[in-house]
Amino acid sequence: KNEVEQSPQNLTAQEGEFITINCSYSVGISALHWLQQHPGGGIVSLFMLSSGKKKHGRLIATINIQEKHSSLHITASHPRDSAVYICAAEILIQGAQKLVFGQGTRLTINP
Amino acid sequence: DAGITQSPRHKVTETGTPVTLRCHQTENHRYMYWYRQDPGHGLRLIHYSYGVKDTDKGEVSDGYSVSRSKTEDFLLTLESATSSQTSVYFCASGGQGYTGELFFGEGSRLTVL
Repeated sequence: KNEVEQSPQNLTAQEGEFITINCSYSVGISALHWLQQHPGGGIVSLFMLSSGKKKHGRLIATINIQEKHSSLHITASHPRDSAVYICAAEILIQGAQKLVFGQGTRLTINP
Repeated sequence: DAGITQSPRHKVTETGTPVTLRCHQTENHRYMYWYRQDPGHGLRLIHYSYGVKDTDKGEVSDGYSVSRSKTEDFLLTLESATSSQTSVYFCASGGQGYTGELFFGEGSRLTVL
């Protein structure tokens, strides 16, 4: 079982809908990252969280350290939001930070 | 301006040949990583580095070696390429303890015939 699990794996929605992608992790972490990858494209960092909530435009990321859970929300979704969204947890292993990735959520927003 | 670059971006090679991918960052980050990305598997860690000459294995390290002789460069070597190593390779870097943003390279598409 992966230390970082995302859900859903695939999500299709209509333009304008509110989107939620979930990320759960099973070990203590020092921070959690949300990343975006467009088809055939590179990987872009969206957020880095260690507590609470962050907002950037229509994107909101939250984290609950006690519940070991983070969510990425997209308000007023648009077809250009179609991408793979990946959460990555920073885990301290034997004194060194290690990034562990979720499997990704493929989001498709239809016009 | 990209803080991290990879080279080459595309490479086609034959089975049994050695291949080296280079990752170069200008952010003075302590941590650097090499991942491969394959359909159905997401990003899988090959090797990572937590400082000059300090490296460790990831979950799919067999057939790969790395070197980091200076902070800005992290090299990934396939000692004898196999078809199963056909993939897209990404490097990443972040600050100590990842107190800030992660930077990813553009990816290197490797095809082993």
